[in-house]
Amino acid sequence: SQQGEEDPQALSIQEGENATMNCSYKTSINNLQWYRQNSGRGLVHLILIRSNEREKHSGRLRVTLDTSKKSSSLLITASRAADTASYFCATVGALDKLVFGAGTILRVKS
Amino acid sequence: EAGVVQSPRYKIIEKKQPVAFWCNPISGHNTLYWYLQNLGQGPELLIRYENEEAVDDSQLPKDRFSAERLKGVDSTLKIQPAELGDSAVYLCASSPRGLSYNEQFFGPGTRLTVL
Repeated sequence: SQQGEEDPQALSIQEGENATMNCSYKTSINNLQWYRQNSGRGLVHLILIRSNEREKHSGRLRVTLDTSKKSSSLLITASRAADTASYFCATVGALDKLVFGAGTILRVKS
Repeated sequence: EAGVVQSPRYKIIEKKQPVAFWCNPISGHNTLYWYLQNLGQGPELLIRYENEEAVDDSQLPKDRFSAERLKGVDSTLKIQPAELGDSAVYLCASSPRGLSYNEQFFGPGTRLTVL
């Protein structure tokens, strides 16, 4: 069963534009993680944000977390063709396991 | 540092045949996970090992799936007999601590096609 739901399911933008993906989840969490998956590098961890944090940055990535709304967003600034991939949010809750959403497919056109 | 290694990368079998997947985690990682990923979905946990002990196998369909992690390093996931619905990507991951709170490192996966 999937815990999170990503929105949109698919996103197509031009190189240089920003991409925003959203994730909603259902139960309380300890942390939320974002992963990227493409055919070349498989599934790769991008960033982790803990339940007591509201915002986190890593390079061109910015993640926000709103536990009151049970939602998170991932912003990729100045996107590149190499950012083309599927992006998954994954939550860790009381069951101490990583539960993934269905993902957002991002296509960056050059 | 070498990543998580999985083999084979692709496997095509007839239904009712057995199949096995192998995983070698990152050196020193005592936690190992097997995930199932259906097309268009995120990975779903099948089993988690802490060293050689399976600490969470609640999602593993035990009538046809089995797994082992002898000596707490390499792991094998087996399906016998395979069904058409088992066609998916099987991912192995590892992490350096016992809790899933931390980042997990994924292998490239084995894409299984059951005909």
